[in-house]
Amino acid sequence: GDSVTQMEGPVTLSEEAFLTINCTYTATGYPSLFWYVQYPGEGLQLLLKATKADDKGSNKGFEATYRKETTSFHLEKGSVQVSDSAVYFCALTGGFKTIFGAGTRLFVKA
Amino acid sequence: GAGVSQSPSNKVTEKGKDVELRCDPISGHTALYWYRQSLGQGLEFLIYFQGNSAPDKSGLPSDRFSAERTGGSVSTLTIQRTQQEDSAVYLCASSASPTGTYEQYFGPGTRLTVT
Repeated sequence: GDSVTQMEGPVTLSEEAFLTINCTYTATGYPSLFWYVQYPGEGLQLLLKATKADDKGSNKGFEATYRKETTSFHLEKGSVQVSDSAVYFCALTGGFKTIFGAGTRLFVKA
Repeated sequence: GAGVSQSPSNKVTEKGKDVELRCDPISGHTALYWYRQSLGQGLEFLIYFQGNSAPDKSGLPSDRFSAERTGGSVSTLTIQRTQQEDSAVYLCASSASPTGTYEQYFGPGTRLTVT
């Protein structure tokens, strides 16, 4: 069945460091790919999405490119801030069911 | 506008009791999902409703779990004879699209503790 694998956390970075959170997937067909974020004490919210191969989703300085050849959707940000500290979930939707990764906790130190 | 709401926000119950968790989706959203998030874990899909179609119950972990959605809007997740391993945050989400290409909007969750 479909699955999502993302790098284990926690990831600890200093402010202004470069961030990469790896995400790979297995799926039949052509799923849509998402990154959701859960800030401390808040609910999950969509960060960005891509619905077809080679699409790049971007939001709040974060980017991820849908790579069909490597079945990946890695999340990147050039310069993280303390306010980016959160748990990040990679997800795919094929048809109607959404499969989430286990989540990666990010800590950003001032 | 109003987002997805869930009630109660916290529920503490004794092992063996039944509990009901409620979800009010965003008005007009045809798709509704329930997930479970255990401590330090990802999201586990439980059940999916789309309009008036039969729900996809493939994620329900046992027959103690059931859910219904009345009038295509409010949904209730029921756990019978609760066990300690049922302790988790139960999340509800709704979406405007039946195919999942639109984003899901999540509620704040219900934290269930079974003692």
